[in-house]
Order: sequence, then structure tokens, then C-alpha cells
Amino acid sequence: KQEVTQIPAALSVPEGENLVLNCSFTDSAIYNLQWFRQDPGKGLTSLLLIQSSQREQTSGRLNASLDKSSGRSTLYIAASQPGDSATYLCAVFESGGSNYKLTFGKGTLLTVNP
Amino acid sequence: EAQVTQNPRYLITVTGKKLTVTCSQNMNHEYMSWYRQDPGLGLRQIYYSMNVEVTDKGDVPEGYKVSRKEKRNFPLILESPSPNQTSLYFCASSAVLPYNEQFFGPGTRLTVL
Repeated sequence: KQEVTQIPAALSVPEGENLVLNCSFTDSAIYNLQWFRQDPGKGLTSLLLIQSSQREQTSGRLNASLDKSSGRSTLYIAASQPGDSATYLCAVFESGGSNYKLTFGKGTLLTVNP
Repeated sequence: EAQVTQNPRYLITVTGKKLTVTCSQNMNHEYMSWYRQDPGLGLRQIYYSMNVEVTDKGDVPEGYKVSRKEKRNFPLILESPSPNQTSLYFCASSAVLPYNEQFFGPGTRLTVL
């Protein structure tokens, strides 16, 4: 069974700092990996989607990498801002047999202090 | 505007009273799915559907039913809700593989007394 782990569970940084969030998964048979942002009590906002054949994706100050063989992904946030404070979730879309399931990590709660 | 909508957004009910949470998307997506989010457990998939009349169990399907009679709609049915189904529920949709960015609805907060 696929398991997705996110480290750290919580992170507090001063404004302007560059930071890295980590995501690992146990089964490398995935179609893609997606990073989301969730604000308290709100829905999920898609940040970046990386296909299994890709190594990285970039959007503005965000850069996500994928090493499928080692089961790891990182989300790099440059020049963090207080508005980046949220929970960041990674999810893998599995491709095993007839299963087409999305499995989430438990998230990293990011606080960016002014 | 491309979106996934859920109704109701908030619901308080009592044990055993059947309820349906609706989910609709206007993006012509084939793949739709339901999740529940609980503190300490994260988001877990309940059911998913690859297309009309094609549904399959996720990780936590017990106590739930779904149907996919139309491409745009994917209702979640709790025929006899219990307090352990109190949770925040999300519906999501995407195009088919391989490029299937997931789009999520705003969530439904359900309380079963």
C-alpha cells in the first residue's frame, strides 16, 4: 500500500527565507505527483503537478522536483512571504494494476513570520 | 468559471438519517473522487470514478455509496450516518491520464450527532 510522508510536520521561518518542504512515497509506480496548498478551513489549491517522466516544475517562486526512483519530491519556496503561510500537501497518483488512486501526505504547516 | 461545486457546505444531522452530498464539475472531466479529511489522519480517498457508470473503492469506502450516472455529477451517499463519519469532505475532478491535475471543491463539513 502506498504511503506518503511529509517532513517536517511544521515549519516556522522569518520572512524572506528560502525553504524546502519534503515529500517521500513508498511505491514508485506513480503517474504523477501534485503539490497543494490548503488555508485553514478551506479547500485545496493546486500548486504544481509533476509527471512521472519529469524531474521538476516551476511556477513563480515555487519549484518542485521529483526523483521517482528514490521516492522523493521537494517543494522549494524562494523568498518566503507571510502570505505563504498555509498547510502544504503532496499527493501521488498511483498506477498499480487497475487502481487509479490519489494518496496524500499529512502535510507541512508553514508559518512565515513578518 | 471552471469549478467543482459541493452542496451543502455545512450539514448537521443525526445518526441513521440518510443524506446525500452533491458534487458537480463543469470541466467535462472523466475522473471524479471523494475524500475525507480528519485531524491527524490527513486526506483519505473514499471512492473514485474513472467515467460514467465506472466507480471503485478508495482507502476508506465503508459506510459510503456513490453513483456516476452523469459525467458532471458524483454524489456521495451516507445511508445510515454514524458519529465516526463526522469529517470534512472534499470532492475532486480531473481529466484522464496522464495529465490529470486534480481540482478540488470547497469542502462540506459534516457533523453527525
